[in-house]
Amino acid sequence: DGGITQSPKYLFRKEGQNVTLSCEQNLNHDAMYWYRQDPGQGLRLIYYSQIVNDFQKGDIAEGYSVSREKKESFPLTVTSAQKNPTAFYLCASRQGQGSQPQHFGDGTRLSIL
Amino acid sequence: SQQGEEDPQALSIQEGENATMNCSYKTSINNLQWYRQNSGRGLVHLILIRSNEREKHSGRLRVTLDTSKKSSSLLITASRAADTASYFCATDASATGRRALTFGSGTRLQVQP
Repeated sequence: DGGITQSPKYLFRKEGQNVTLSCEQNLNHDAMYWYRQDPGQGLRLIYYSQIVNDFQKGDIAEGYSVSREKKESFPLTVTSAQKNPTAFYLCASRQGQGSQPQHFGDGTRLSIL
Repeated sequence: SQQGEEDPQALSIQEGENATMNCSYKTSINNLQWYRQNSGRGLVHLILIRSNEREKHSGRLRVTLDTSKKSSSLLITASRAADTASYFCATDASATGRRALTFGSGTRLQVQP
C-alpha cells in the first residue's frame, strides 16, 4: 500500500532545541515538499526537492533545514533559530512536475514546551 | 507567498444543498488543483484543471477556470455531512520558474445533517 508516512504525529520542542521531523514515501516519487500550516491558514512552502541530493528553499525557509540523501526520505529539521515553530507540518511528494497531483502525509503537530 | 485567495473563508449549508467555493490567483498558471483536508489530516487531491480547459467534472464535483479573470470555482452538488472539511485551491505555475504548488488560504465547509 503506497503512501507517505510522517512521524511522529505529535512532537514537543524545548527552548534552544533542534528537532527533526521524518517523512518517508514508497511511491517512487522524484519530488518531495515540506509545508507549514498555521491554525485556520493555508499551506506555506518551506523547502522542496526535485531529485536526490538537491533541494531548494521555499517561501519560509529561515530556521529550517533539510536533506535528501535517499529518494524515499526527506527529513525536516526545525532549528532553534525558528522562534515560532508551533504549527502543523505537512510533507508531500509528486511524480515529476507539471500536471501531477501532490500526495500528502498526515502531518506532524509541533508544539513548544 | 499565498497566490490563491479563497472565498468565502467559511461556509455552512444543509445536507443536500450545493456548495460553491471560489479561488483567485495572481500569475499565469499551467494548471489549478483543488484539495480537501479533514481536520488534523493531510490534504487529498480532488481534481485538476489545465489552463486550456474551462470546465471539468468528477462525480459530484464541478470545477471551472477563467484564466482571463484568474479565478476558479469548485461546486459540490448534493452535499453530504461527510463533505465537511477545508477545501484549498493550488496553482501550478512552473512556467514562472516556481517548481512547487502555491496554496490558497482555504474555505472551511460545514455541512449540517
